Amino acid sequence: RKEVEQDPGPFNVPEGATVAFNCTYSNSASQSFFWYRQDCRKEPKLLMSVYSSGNEDGRFTAQLNRASQYISLLIRDSKLSDSATYLCVVILNAGKSTFGDGTTLTVKP
Amino acid sequence: IAGITQAPTSQILAAGRRMTLRCTQDMRHNAMYWYRQDLGLGLRLIHYSNTAGTTGKGEVPDGYSVSRANTDDFPLTLASAVPSQTSVYFCASSQQGGSPLHFGNGTRLTVT
Repeated sequence: RKEVEQDPGPFNVPEGATVAFNCTYSNSASQSFFWYRQDCRKEPKLLMSVYSSGNEDGRFTAQLNRASQYISLLIRDSKLSDSATYLCVVILNAGKSTFGDGTTLTVKP
Repeated sequence: IAGITQAPTSQILAAGRRMTLRCTQDMRHNAMYWYRQDLGLGLRLIHYSNTAGTTGKGEVPDGYSVSRANTDDFPLTLASAVPSQTSVYFCASSQQGGSPLHFGNGTRLTVT
């Protein structure tokens, strides 16, 4: 079993749709969690941090569920520009950061 | 320099040759990382450094070496390149081990 599992998709949604991605992780001692966005094999860029209390940034909401060992990303009112690959990363400690394989999102007109 | 700079941007290398990928950051981050990204396999950690003078092995360290002589630079060396090392290589840094990673633009390496 992979340490971090992510549904690869692809997710194809119309503009304005709400879409959610999940990542599950295997090590309960993991400390830090983040979502990244990657466009066309360019460098991954930090989208948002993930906390147990949840955090929201505009149309994006991230949530951590430690009991079930998963993190989620919700995108509301999808835009064409949201089309990208979304990567979750789980950090156990210094030097042990594991990325999911990425979920591909395509938002269509 | 702003953020993380990787060089070269791309390289075609003959098998058996030695190659060093350069990575420099100006954010005074303590931790630095090297990842490779292959289609269908996601990002895999090659080596990392928590602070200047220390390095550690990641998930796929074989065939690669690193050094961290100072805070800013973290070069990755392929002593004798093989075709399976064809990949996109990303350098990253973070303030400390559990902080968000900031990535360089990547180096696209082809070993023939």
